[in-house]
Amino acid sequence: DGGITQSPKYLFRKEGQNVTLSCEQNLNHDAMYWYRQDPGQGLRLIYYSQIVNDFQKGDIAEGYSVSREKKESFPLTVTSAQKNPTAFYLCASSTGPQNTEAFFGQGTRLTVV
Amino acid sequence: SQKIEQNSEALNIQEGKTATLTCNYTNYSPAYLQWYRQDPGRGPVFLLLIRENEKEKRKERLKVTFDTTLKQSLFHITASQPADSATYLCALDMNSGGYQKVTFGTGTKLQVIP
Repeated sequence: DGGITQSPKYLFRKEGQNVTLSCEQNLNHDAMYWYRQDPGQGLRLIYYSQIVNDFQKGDIAEGYSVSREKKESFPLTVTSAQKNPTAFYLCASSTGPQNTEAFFGQGTRLTVV
Repeated sequence: SQKIEQNSEALNIQEGKTATLTCNYTNYSPAYLQWYRQDPGRGPVFLLLIRENEKEKRKERLKVTFDTTLKQSLFHITASQPADSATYLCALDMNSGGYQKVTFGTGTKLQVIP
């Protein structure tokens, strides 16, 4: 089945540790995105990539890093520099940046204690 | 600054009625607008896309309008059902330094009461 997979669904980390969230898609999509969602809020864009080996900062990139070495994969690292890392993280992909729907993964709920 | 506002955090309606959700934006000139549905603890699911040169789009019980003069989109669910209860998000494209990115509103939580 084609789709976009995020893992794990739940993740717990101690404060001060870096953590990497996985996002894989087999839809052959060029564009991929990472969003953060806090309770009662909309999705805020962290990073996006429109092609392999290229990515752009979104609205709240501070404290996060990404890589796009393969078309299928767009991992997100939450670093210790991120002040409030506890949130629901969503990865999405689309065929291109314009005029197309985004397909979302099921999300990773990260809790930092 | 650019803003996307969805008119209410929550909307309660009676089953069978038409639900109308609003998405307003400022300082954007989007080429298209999208609506998504999100259930608790899950990722959003795409519903409809409407382009700037389209006034209205329909899909089964869903209807979306797009008024670029008012900078507003309306999302209607006719003959609403309890299963339609969810959070609905609007999203706009935005050109940023030559790159297109999709920006979401905060969402409206719809509750259809049996």
